[in-house]
Amino acid sequence: SAVISQKPSRDICQRGTSLTIQCQVDSQVTMMFWYRQQPGQSLTLIATANQGSEATYESGFVIDKFPISRPNLTFSTLTVSNMSPEDSSIYLCSVGGLGWETQYFGPGTRLLVL
Amino acid sequence: AQSVTQLGSHVSVSEGALVLLRCNYSSSVPPYLFWYVQYPNQGLQLLLKYTTGATLVKGINGFEAEFKKSETSFHLTKPSAHMSDAAEYFCAVSDNSNTGKLIFGQGTTLQVKP
Repeated sequence: SAVISQKPSRDICQRGTSLTIQCQVDSQVTMMFWYRQQPGQSLTLIATANQGSEATYESGFVIDKFPISRPNLTFSTLTVSNMSPEDSSIYLCSVGGLGWETQYFGPGTRLLVL
Repeated sequence: AQSVTQLGSHVSVSEGALVLLRCNYSSSVPPYLFWYVQYPNQGLQLLLKYTTGATLVKGINGFEAEFKKSETSFHLTKPSAHMSDAAEYFCAVSDNSNTGKLIFGQGTTLQVKP
């Protein structure tokens, strides 16, 4: 398994601003993922964070809105840009992929946009 | 394309009663199947998983699930509910490829009454 931490754990932001969420893993992992969980909803995959290359985004998510960095095998960031109240969600990172049958999730970042 | 359907967005049981949370999946390849639990204001925790081998899998906290290929189901059960089991439960499927992607069901909220 892996120990995953996220910063910040929660934040309240004003519309039009941006927030960068950090995800740190205690071991090197092949794949890191970012999910969004809107209030009362299930998890939706935003993108796969690829080390050394651009992230792979799912349908409905674009790089301009959710830029992702992955500078090494233990760290990734997700930025929520030009926020609106509709971006209020829990954002979770997870790790897994090839050789890992299971994905492990971080504790999540609870974002409220006013 | 893969999909997951959880029947019943809310399930209520009495303490000590059987817990049954239903999950059906659609997959064109042999799936990997997972159940995750999310306690209030926390991230996701893996309860159990099926990848290959024995179709009845046991997880943490007394939960188990049975993979039934003929019924495309992976229902979660626990013989006797405890108050601490009250949480949100998510069924998820992976296509066991090296993409590592998880597709989640809509979730089931389990309420345990005293």
